[in-house]
Amino acid sequence: KAGVTQTPRYLIKTRGQQVTLSCSPISGHRSVSWYQQTPGQGLQFLFEYFSETQRNKGNFPGRFSGRQFSNSRSEMNVSTLELGDSALYLCASSYGLGDTEAFFGQGTRLTVV
Amino acid sequence: SQQGEEDPQALSIQEGENATMNCSYKTSINNLQWYRQNSGRGLVHLILIRSNEREKHSGRLRVTLDTSKKSSSLLITASRAADTASYFCAADSNYQLIWGAGTKLIIKP
Repeated sequence: KAGVTQTPRYLIKTRGQQVTLSCSPISGHRSVSWYQQTPGQGLQFLFEYFSETQRNKGNFPGRFSGRQFSNSRSEMNVSTLELGDSALYLCASSYGLGDTEAFFGQGTRLTVV
Repeated sequence: SQQGEEDPQALSIQEGENATMNCSYKTSINNLQWYRQNSGRGLVHLILIRSNEREKHSGRLRVTLDTSKKSSSLLITASRAADTASYFCAADSNYQLIWGAGTKLIIKP
């Protein structure tokens, strides 16, 4: 069974630009969550999608947005990038119902310069 | 912040010894999960304990959960060099995982 795939793995962007990150969940999983990991703030929840519906959203500005497609693949977009957006962005997939574990991708390392 | 807390922040022990990490959280939860992260392999799920469970075992791992104190502990017995990693607890609440700050575990040969 293929794992969670995140693309790209590394990205360097300039302040003010926008970026789109992609996540392909494990086959059969309907829930996709996004997390930001930084040395200072640790792992922070961005949002969660289940069957194309956002069920929860973390405390991030509106520049951070996401969506999920009918095949459960998900994208997150960050507009007007700031230096502080430099982080590892992790995607997790799960069945999304009941007590199930989350499977994480390797992440996208975003550097804003 | 909703973030949980973990202690110790860092732990260095000899191979073969046991390692214990503690976690506290602030919200009501569906379950509490523990993950391991090392540079090569990303975040890997270790064990899940439901809110109505008090203790769970998986191989060399033992997890306890005290919902009245909003705390959990992870015990790794007979540690090995390959256990060197950062360990995170994550409280599952309202379709999100709320993470602790992590414990950096170093196993000395």
